[in-house]
Amino acid sequence: GAGVSQSPSNKVTEKGKDVELRCDPISGHTALYWYRQRLGQGLEFLIYFQGNSAPDKSGLPSDRFSAERTGESVSTLTIQRTQQEDSAVYLCASSLGPRRSAETQYFGPGTRLLVL
Amino acid sequence: DAKTTQPPSMDCAEGRAANLPCNHSTISGNEYVYWYRQIHSQGPQYIIHGLKNNETNEMASLIITEDRKSSTLILPHATLRDTAVYYCIVRFSIQGAQKLVFGQGTRLTINP
Repeated sequence: GAGVSQSPSNKVTEKGKDVELRCDPISGHTALYWYRQRLGQGLEFLIYFQGNSAPDKSGLPSDRFSAERTGESVSTLTIQRTQQEDSAVYLCASSLGPRRSAETQYFGPGTRLLVL
Repeated sequence: DAKTTQPPSMDCAEGRAANLPCNHSTISGNEYVYWYRQIHSQGPQYIIHGLKNNETNEMASLIITEDRKSSTLILPHATLRDTAVYYCIVRFSIQGAQKLVFGQGTRLTINP
């Protein structure tokens, strides 16, 4: 079946502009994560959606970052007034959701954001 | 989540089995061992996971010692496309976000 898809694959923007990144999770996956990965670094958790529960926004680095998810489908990550330090690969992952057994996250290919 | 220790790098000849070790001596009874890999410029890819028993899928095998303090990921017939950074993680499923944290991992290079 189809995996997690993200768009755009690459985005170049000017400092101060807003950008919107999109994630289409695997069908039937109730959990959706956004991560950020700077060049040569590990994963940085941003936000988590699980079903209709309130999202876990504890990883968002500033109020310029926000995300939405419609039900258990598409999610958008919005970065307002982009800064050069926002340049990174933004990764989306989805999973079947928390369960008594293991929960495997499946990642999309990422959106590579470059802020000039 | 328990800490894991992996060698920073390994080399393997194409067509041979690649055995990647991971130490997780502080693992608790309900924690799973997960392996992911990240090929350059791509998103992380799930490989395999296990709790106590050895596991095998189309990508790899996972061997977990009886005391569960270490494990080995085996790629039975490595190809050049298996060159990647491999991450071993231990975690258990609880309510709320299962935030993945990757350590340094093992940079595996498959040589022709």
